[in-house]
Amino acid sequence: DIQMTQSPSSLSASVGDRVTITCRASQTITSYLNWYQQKPGKAPTLLIYAASTLPSGVPSRFSGSGSGTDFTLTISSLQPEDFATYYCQQSYSTPWTFGQGTKVEI
Amino acid sequence: EVQLVESGGGLVQPGGSLRLSCAASGFIFSSYTMNWVRQAPGKGLEWVSYINGVGNAIHYSDSVKGRFTISRDNANNALHLQMNSLRADDTAVYYCVRDRREQLGFWFDPWGQGTLVTVSS
Repeated sequence: DIQMTQSPSSLSASVGDRVTITCRASQTITSYLNWYQQKPGKAPTLLIYAASTLPSGVPSRFSGSGSGTDFTLTISSLQPEDFATYYCQQSYSTPWTFGQGTKVEI
Repeated sequence: EVQLVESGGGLVQPGGSLRLSCAASGFIFSSYTMNWVRQAPGKGLEWVSYINGVGNAIHYSDSVKGRFTISRDNANNALHLQMNSLRADDTAVYYCVRDRREQLGFWFDPWGQGTLVTVSS
């Protein structure tokens, strides 16, 4: 199984801060990497797919980069609605696996 | 609007069974692979199972293989998960999730609101 490791597990930030979350795969997954956002008590929602593509409706302050084994999610200017937990997920091979999550707190 | 609505969760004793359902609307259900993903209380996300559009390709995580059975009813736009021999560590919110597959890969979108399964005596 491909292990996905996120860092940090949690972080404290302020509105307007630039935030970076990293995700590392235990083997190459090329660009088969997705990011999800989950707010408390809610289902996850798709944030970025194929490592760097934003679905329609996702604000441009979110960006993703990376390929191979190392990936990054960046929020250029943190907004109040961005306080949530973020998960990476590989879609390279089954079983599809997620990182452990990164909680972004005030 | 694409909608996925889960039902069937509840409290069950260890060793018991439960059947989850997911009602899909707003898209051509039979054209999409569907998944179940679960989340234990306070924990991260764990993919459980998928089934392709016609139902002839199925895959399970090792943690549920032999105990859970995924199925679909394309005539009624429904996805099911039959869960047998339930254990305490199966306690989780279970999400019904649609696949989106393109040349760039695939991703989970959208997700249902989830249904809580609690395994406890």
